[in-house]
Amino acid sequence: QQQVKQSPQSLIVQKGGISIINCAYENTAFDYFPWYQQFPGKGPALLIAIRPDVSEKKEGRFTISFNKSAKQFSLHIMDSQPGDSATYFCAASKATDSWGKLQFGAGTQVVVTP
Amino acid sequence: DSGVTQTPKHLITATGQRVTLRCSPRSGDLSVYWYQQSLDQGLQFLIQYYNGEERAKGNILERFSAQQFPDLHSELNLSSLELGDSALYFCASSAHSNGGNTIYFGEGSWLTVV
Repeated sequence: QQQVKQSPQSLIVQKGGISIINCAYENTAFDYFPWYQQFPGKGPALLIAIRPDVSEKKEGRFTISFNKSAKQFSLHIMDSQPGDSATYFCAASKATDSWGKLQFGAGTQVVVTP
Repeated sequence: DSGVTQTPKHLITATGQRVTLRCSPRSGDLSVYWYQQSLDQGLQFLIQYYNGEERAKGNILERFSAQQFPDLHSELNLSSLELGDSALYFCASSAHSNGGNTIYFGEGSWLTVV
């Protein structure tokens, strides 16, 4: 069963717009929530990550919002650029297993139109 | 370039055969992870090794096995291959046993079983 549910499956946004991807998880033991970006033919690359003791983390144009009570977290891409066109994966893991034992969402394909 | 090297990049083999995928982690990284990416299952964690020892295990099939050698490179062995094993297999590495903050993925090995 999928422990991390991600939506939407795909989205199209105009250049300069905001892309929002949402994820929900069930296991309250998760304590590490990264987002990965994957381009065709490449491996996933860490974009930004958050731990449950903070509600928001911002790095450049990318922001994670985290709602512990709702067991949800989201990625906001501000001022979206054509170079942001990629597949984005949310993930979750727990230190008691290994933070590297990531449970990934199904992915969101983002297309930024010029 | 993540610094994680995987070989071969592409492999086509027949059902029932056995293949070995090879991974060289980033210089200095002691943890190696194997992930499988397929259209129906998404990104799935298979197994982690830390400094030669198995550290965490996912839904890895009994037909699959892995090991990490003293020079820290790792091999994933897939045997009695089935059509459903066709997928992209990623190796990733990190400095720490629990994944630390960043896990770096290689570009993957494309396996096609015919």
